[in-house]
Amino acid sequence: NAGVTQTPKFRVLKTGQSMTLLCAQDMNHEYMYWYRQDPGMGLRLIHYSVGEGTTAKGEVPDGYNVSRLKKQNFLLGLESAAPSQTSVYFCASSLIAGGAYEQYFGPGTRLTVT
Amino acid sequence: DAKTTQPNSMESNEEEPVHLPCNHSTISGTDYIHWYRQLPSQGPEYVIHGLTSNVNNRMASLAIAEDRKSSTLILHRATLRDAAVYYCILADRDNYGQNFVFGPGTRLSVLP
Repeated sequence: NAGVTQTPKFRVLKTGQSMTLLCAQDMNHEYMYWYRQDPGMGLRLIHYSVGEGTTAKGEVPDGYNVSRLKKQNFLLGLESAAPSQTSVYFCASSLIAGGAYEQYFGPGTRLTVT
Repeated sequence: DAKTTQPNSMESNEEEPVHLPCNHSTISGTDYIHWYRQLPSQGPEYVIHGLTSNVNNRMASLAIAEDRKSSTLILHRATLRDAAVYYCILADRDNYGQNFVFGPGTRLSVLP
């Protein structure tokens, strides 16, 4: 089991460029999440998905779009990158949502926007 | 949203037990108490969670106060690899959306 994997591990973008971050999980989990973590801070939820074909906004969704076309994959897109989106991005998944279940996290993608 | 309060940092000596406290005075009856840790340059890692009773697993123990307004994560024998930021999080059993709110956590240093 690879668990939760993220691609790429590092990326540098210029302001205005676009990119897509890929998250994959092999645990057959229903729920998937995208977080961002700024230096010295905790994680903040960007978007999440409660199942294939569904997405919902989290705490900081502006400037990001997501898609969940397959159960095992959750994509995070930046259409026009801004320096404020420089951060480390983490994907997570859980078998079922709700507080009784733990989340499993990927290793992160470090994104720098210049 | 229910919130937690943790010390900013703690120190421990290697091979000694560590008790990491968390206060959550506004906890509701359906909130589970979760603990995650984040090693340097890695994603958060699940440690343990519980509702009312104390819980043990291979990584740690979770002691929950009788009134549930506080809890303690216990690492029985700290190693250098346990140096990390530890997050205490309340997650509502019935919230299927934005449920995990990560605060700044407690930075644990382990001294050899």
